[in-house]
Amino acid sequence: AQTVTQSQPEMSVQEAETVTLSCTYDTSESDYYLFWYKQPPSRQMILVIRQEAYKQQNATENRFSVNFQKAAKSFSLKISDSQLGDAAMYFCAYKWNAGNMLTFGGGTRLMVKP
Amino acid sequence: EAGVVQSPRYKIIEKKQPVAFWCNPISGHNTLYWYRQNLGQGPELLIRYENEEAVDDSQLPKDRFSAERLKGVDSTLKIQPAELGDSAVYLCASSRNSGGYIYNEQFFGPGTRLTVL
Repeated sequence: AQTVTQSQPEMSVQEAETVTLSCTYDTSESDYYLFWYKQPPSRQMILVIRQEAYKQQNATENRFSVNFQKAAKSFSLKISDSQLGDAAMYFCAYKWNAGNMLTFGGGTRLMVKP
Repeated sequence: EAGVVQSPRYKIIEKKQPVAFWCNPISGHNTLYWYRQNLGQGPELLIRYENEEAVDDSQLPKDRFSAERLKGVDSTLKIQPAELGDSAVYLCASSRNSGGYIYNEQFFGPGTRLTVL
């Protein structure tokens, strides 16, 4: 079974600084997707960024980028120029290419200090 | 385009009482998911529908939980009777799955926070 682990329950960053959230996963599959979701206090999960396992290039979406290390099964999220609106729970998630089920990690609470 | 709609947003009940949650997916989305999110944890899939058919319900506690998706659109998740351990946020999500290995993003609703006293 696939598992997703986020080892940082809480992280804090100063506004305008950069922060990296960690995620590791375990799978025997070779084709899969990895995601980072943001969940603000409103509870609505919002997709931040996704990475296809077959792509070697790391995904980037504006201030958000990932460091995907397939051999190490590591998938970290880097947030540059942090903003107050980035404060939220962040969840790492895995999906097997041929399936529809998302497996989530336990989440990291990000606090942004003004 | 309207997002996934869920109601109610909050529900407080006494244990042993029944409760129901409603979800209206994004128009045209054939796949619907119900997740349970315990406090401080990530969501866990309870059941997945492809149109009207429940295709993955292995995590649904069938002794007290039931779900239906009539006409392949709206869905209702019911708990009867509720237990203290059922307190959680219940999230609904939908996606437009065309089969094969194409990525289909799941869009989430705001969830229903259930408190069982």
